[in-house]
Amino acid sequence: DQQVKQNSPSLSVQEGRISILNCDYTNSMFDYFLWYKKYPAEGPTFLISISSIKDKNEDGRFTVFLNKSAKHLSLHIVPSQPGDSAVYFCAASAFNSNYQLIWGAGTKLIIKP
Amino acid sequence: ETGVTQTPRHLVMGMTNKKSLKCEQHLGHNAMYWYKQSAKKPLELMFVYSLEERVENNSVPSRFSPECPNSSHLFLHLHTLQPEDSALYLCASSQELNTEAFFGQGTRLTVV
Repeated sequence: DQQVKQNSPSLSVQEGRISILNCDYTNSMFDYFLWYKKYPAEGPTFLISISSIKDKNEDGRFTVFLNKSAKHLSLHIVPSQPGDSAVYFCAASAFNSNYQLIWGAGTKLIIKP
Repeated sequence: ETGVTQTPRHLVMGMTNKKSLKCEQHLGHNAMYWYKQSAKKPLELMFVYSLEERVENNSVPSRFSPECPNSSHLFLHLHTLQPEDSALYLCASSQELNTEAFFGQGTRLTVV
């Protein structure tokens, strides 16, 4: 049973528009969430994180929103650029976990010119 | 020079071969990780080392054997692998356990 789910395998967005990537989790003990971006043939690159004491964290064009009651987080990219085309992974961990980041399966984002 | 370097980038090996994957980090981090990424599956954590001591082993088959000789280097020794072990093997490091991890570019392993 996957504890972190990214239900959209792919998403296509027009350049300049907002990209919204979603992630749901089932473990209420998770208190730290991260987004990673991955290009083909490369390792994932850390993008942005949020702890459960916050509901929003912003870094440039990237904003992560956390809705604890819904066990849902989302990554907003605005405006979307062609270089944003990649696979985006959501990951979560619990403070008292056994050192594991639990990963979603990823969403492939395609930015159309 | 990138922060986390993995060699080789690509590896093809037979089921009877013995090979090793190497990972080196230049970030002064205390924790290092091996992950496996198979097609269309979430990243699977294989091994975790903190200050050169293994702290996690996620029921990985014994044909995968990690080694951490110092805080900057991590190896994954492979022997008698199966074709289903073909995957992208990623090394990562982080300052402390469970903080943001920095990944290497991975080794694309094909077992024939």
